[in-house]
Amino acid sequence: ETGVTQTPRHLVMGMTNKKSLKCEQHLGHNAMYWYKQSAKKPLELMFVYNFKEQTENNSVPSRFSPECPNSSHLFLHLHTLQPEDSALYLCASSQDRRGIYNEQFFGPGTRLTVL
Amino acid sequence: LAKTTQPISMDSYEGQEVNITCSHNNIATNDYITWYQQFPSQGPRFIIQGYKTKVTNEVASLFIPADRKSSTLSLPRVSLSDTAVYYCLVGYSGAGSYQLTFGKGTKLSVIP
Repeated sequence: ETGVTQTPRHLVMGMTNKKSLKCEQHLGHNAMYWYKQSAKKPLELMFVYNFKEQTENNSVPSRFSPECPNSSHLFLHLHTLQPEDSALYLCASSQDRRGIYNEQFFGPGTRLTVL
Repeated sequence: LAKTTQPISMDSYEGQEVNITCSHNNIATNDYITWYQQFPSQGPRFIIQGYKTKVTNEVASLFIPADRKSSTLSLPRVSLSDTAVYYCLVGYSGAGSYQLTFGKGTKLSVIP
């Protein structure tokens, strides 16, 4: 248990569906992250939020829409996804974005399958 | 251009020491180097973090040369349960921006 929870743990959706992934951290951290990890591939950083403000968007398609209402919660809204978007989506948090306090704590991930 | 490079895979026998090196030529001046371990279908887990010279904790050591352009994760006496993917994470600064970059990961296979 890392203090970062993600729901749902598994999600199957059609290409026309709209769904949301939720992440919550109970660590009092200021930075939160979304990562995508496709099968047998390395981590791909998608979005970074620091003090609720988005600081990085690594050329992610607009069918992925993040939302950070406060420092403890992070959402990833999904719409009109493609089968190649099927992957493990990981959320992480850290006390700060950089320096000695940038250790990231990861949630268990949401396994997403797009049919 | 931020780039963090590490070997794709390594094999080791149980009980041996394993050293995994990550190169990060353009690391930000004030940034730390962090290593993570990941098992299949789980989120990465923190192993160790350092800024320079040597850091040791109960599971690993981290060696960082003076120029900080690389770092080496050392796992003493590995066991089968150490079979996992190991990532280094480094921060880069340039052109007024800051970017955290994970390496592509090193898949360690421990052989009985």
